[in-house]
Amino acid sequence: QSALTQPASVSGSPGQSITISCTGTSSDVGGYNYVSWYQQHPGKAPKLMIYDVNIRPSGVSNRFSGSKSGNTASLTISGLQTEDEADYYCSSYTSSSTIVFGGGTKLTVL
Amino acid sequence: EVQLLDSGGGLVQPGGSLRLSCVASGFTFSSYSMSWVRQAPGKGLEWVSGISGSGDITYYADSVKGRFTVSRDNSKSTLYLQMDSLRAEDTAVYYCAKDRRVPATPNPWGQGTLVIVSS
Repeated sequence: QSALTQPASVSGSPGQSITISCTGTSSDVGGYNYVSWYQQHPGKAPKLMIYDVNIRPSGVSNRFSGSKSGNTASLTISGLQTEDEADYYCSSYTSSSTIVFGGGTKLTVL
Repeated sequence: EVQLLDSGGGLVQPGGSLRLSCVASGFTFSSYSMSWVRQAPGKGLEWVSGISGSGDITYYADSVKGRFTVSRDNSKSTLYLQMDSLRAEDTAVYYCAKDRRVPATPNPWGQGTLVIVSS
């Protein structure tokens, strides 16, 4: 199972919006609505930010939103804040009953 | 509050074995599948294994199939990962995570335990 494809890095200024893409195949992202997004700060465990494509867990800011079109999912962060600077990973359930992660995207808030 | 406490990591020689444990609290352990996810130093996340709530169905990434065995003891709310025939590329922080009815959305995660495979 190949990793989902994410850009290695994205950047934005405080207050701006950014979008991170996550491309898979019809056997994972395109075939199921079990797409999730995780935020990871250095030295910390990942934190779930979006699940089932576009659902925010309780306590996650509404500045985070998710979507999917075909084999590509996207995470949008609006109103960027300095504390959003972190690594972001997408994941998807697969047709092999496994989970596949993206390679990760480093978000820099300039 | 869900709490997951990973332990069992350490330094092991190539070809050796190690067993990781994850003690869970704050939820009905037997009602949820569980997942193991690892992260090599400076690298991304890799899902390793999952197990159903009852323990009768297990799932593995191709990279560990035949070498790692996941199990659980619901009476002790504890998840295990037996790792055999370890390789240098297995060096990583290993996280246990609560999942859904089937492994699909690991959340939340334990604090992680570091496994170093080196001679």
